[in-house]
Amino acid sequence: GQSLEQPSEVTAVEGAIVQINCTYQTSGFYGLSWYQQHDGGAPTFLSYNALDGLEETGRFSSFLSRSDSYGYLLLQELQMKDSASYFCAVRDNTDKLIFGTGTRLQVFP
Amino acid sequence: ETGVTQTPRHLVMGMTNKKSLKCEQHLGHNAMYWYKQSAKKPLELMFVYNFKEQTENNSVPSRFSPECPNSSHLFLHLHTLQPEDSALYLCASSQERGTGGYNEQFFGPGTRLTVL
Repeated sequence: GQSLEQPSEVTAVEGAIVQINCTYQTSGFYGLSWYQQHDGGAPTFLSYNALDGLEETGRFSSFLSRSDSYGYLLLQELQMKDSASYFCAVRDNTDKLIFGTGTRLQVFP
Repeated sequence: ETGVTQTPRHLVMGMTNKKSLKCEQHLGHNAMYWYKQSAKKPLELMFVYNFKEQTENNSVPSRFSPECPNSSHLFLHLHTLQPEDSALYLCASSQERGTGGYNEQFFGPGTRLTVL
């Protein structure tokens, strides 16, 4: 079957760095995406990795290792507004997005 | 605002009711999606429309019936639902560029559905 594993919850304090891991097992692989969803809000796109390595966009970075079927989202200089759920998603060989169960990040002052 | 709107935002219905969810995208995209989001579960893809044609029906019960009259509008018609269908229903759109090409999905705010 197809599955993506993420931790269910992560907590951190303002200014800290947090890493959210994602391991996947899917039918084919075209890339790994990350989405952010605040309570009551819509998921919004954060990043996409098709190739191995680190992609940096401001305070957020995303990493992919295709040989390990593993990726992570790195959030630096955490702010209270970063409290949200974060989903990894794999684009499989049928072009569908397969989502993980999400990681709830709580940032404390 | 993501350019994808959904109405209503909240809906409470009985098991014998018929209702419809509406989604509209203002992004000029050619693909639209319905997802179901339940607590503690991954987003579940329900239906995909590419160029107004349904290309995916992810084993969804027939009590859910999608309709895509044009590339900007998507409906989800609901009838004789069950309490376990209570969830957040999310609409999304993207610009499909062919197999393997990347297509970021833009989500609407969702409709919170409660079936009594």
